Amino acid sequence: GNSVTQMEGPVTLSEEAFLTINCTYTATGYPSLFWYVQYPGEGLQLLLKATKADDKGSNKGFEATYRKETTSFHLEKGSVQVSDSAVYFCALKSSNSGYALNFGKGTSLLVTP
Amino acid sequence: NAGVTQTPKFQVLKTGQSMTLQCAQDMNHNSMYWYRQDPGMGLRLIYYSASEGTTDKGEVPNGYNVSRLNKREFSLRLESAAPSQTSVYFCASTRQGGYTDTQYFGPGTRLTVL
Repeated sequence: GNSVTQMEGPVTLSEEAFLTINCTYTATGYPSLFWYVQYPGEGLQLLLKATKADDKGSNKGFEATYRKETTSFHLEKGSVQVSDSAVYFCALKSSNSGYALNFGKGTSLLVTP
Repeated sequence: NAGVTQTPKFQVLKTGQSMTLQCAQDMNHNSMYWYRQDPGMGLRLIYYSASEGTTDKGEVPNGYNVSRLNKREFSLRLESAAPSQTSVYFCASTRQGGYTDTQYFGPGTRLTVL
């Protein structure tokens, strides 16, 4: 079946540090890949997405490239801010279950001043 | 647009009590979903409705029922709550389903079952 594996947290970084959160997936066919962000006490918001191999999704300084050969979709940001502190979820969507999302377990990020 | 709304925001139940979680969207979306979020588990699909008038089980449907009341509303019912159902519940919707459509999430309902 489909599954998503992302790096365990929590991740603690100083402001302006480089961020990488690893995400790999297992899926049949050609899924779409997503990163969602959850700020404390809130629901999930789409951060970025990529719908086919070699696509790069980007938003708010975050980037991720859909790598079919390594089944990966790693999230990166060149310079994090305190306001980026949140939980980040990698997810895939396939035709299973009405195109519902399969989520990784989430990675908590804390950025300190 | 309010997007996806959920009520209530918080709820405490005793074991065996019943309740219904409400979800509504004002984006004219066809597909709606219920997920639960547990620490260290990510989000898991409970039920979904691909279109008005249809519902199907997801990964963890036991102990729940759903109703797609109309195109806007998709409710989740716990008939006899158990402590294992303590969780945060999220409703989501998407325009058509499909690989590329974005799912939009509500703010969640935090449920505690004593």
